[in-house]
Amino acid sequence: ETGVTQTPRHLVMGMTNKKSLKCEQHLGHNAMYWYKQSAKKPLELMFVYNFKEQTENNSVPSRFSPECPNSSHLFLHLHTLQPEDSALYLCASSQVTLSRDSSSYEQYFGPGTRLTVT
Amino acid sequence: GQQVMQIPQYQHVQEGEDFTTYCNSSTTLSNIQWYKQRPGGHPVFLIQLVKSGEVKKQKRLTFQFGEAKKNSSLHITATQTTDVGTYFCAGPSYSGGGADGLTFGKGTHLIIQP
Repeated sequence: ETGVTQTPRHLVMGMTNKKSLKCEQHLGHNAMYWYKQSAKKPLELMFVYNFKEQTENNSVPSRFSPECPNSSHLFLHLHTLQPEDSALYLCASSQVTLSRDSSSYEQYFGPGTRLTVT
Repeated sequence: GQQVMQIPQYQHVQEGEDFTTYCNSSTTLSNIQWYKQRPGGHPVFLIQLVKSGEVKKQKRLTFQFGEAKKNSSLHITATQTTDVGTYFCAGPSYSGGGADGLTFGKGTHLIIQP
């Protein structure tokens, strides 16, 4: 499946580093999402972008900074992370239809970036 | 905040046996979605249920949405080794911006013994 791609697939970084995760969707969708998946917690929603505008920030620490330059690309900028931020970071996209009520739509996930903070 | 609870966390079955996972929400849901994640993979959408009491089938998989729209279940008949993975239910997180992220349950890990 190549509908949603993420790079890099694996990343090891120190606590003082700055890095960025990239997501690209090739499905023509207009909404994109960042999720965090760790061993101890369920999939956690981090950010929602709808038509390139951020509509939800799920109480995420400021050391995570999202950027959505267009409807196909989504970035997650990382700086001064903590070891507990080590996790699988998943990007997803969906197609939102304006004529429908606000609701959830099936989401297509990328393969994720496995992040290790040392 | 909204919570989605899922049980059991792990389920071991013999190949050919049936499997069921249950999902409960702390709030009424407009819809519920189910995803499957294979070991080492990413979540893949299975189905969305919208109507109260709705039942949908996909081959050996049967999905139900409760009458009160607060609970749901996934039942697999005669499990096969290809069913191995983690099954998640998820409800909308209601951002109000026209696109909702999802609040996921912890998932049920299905382990099949041949």
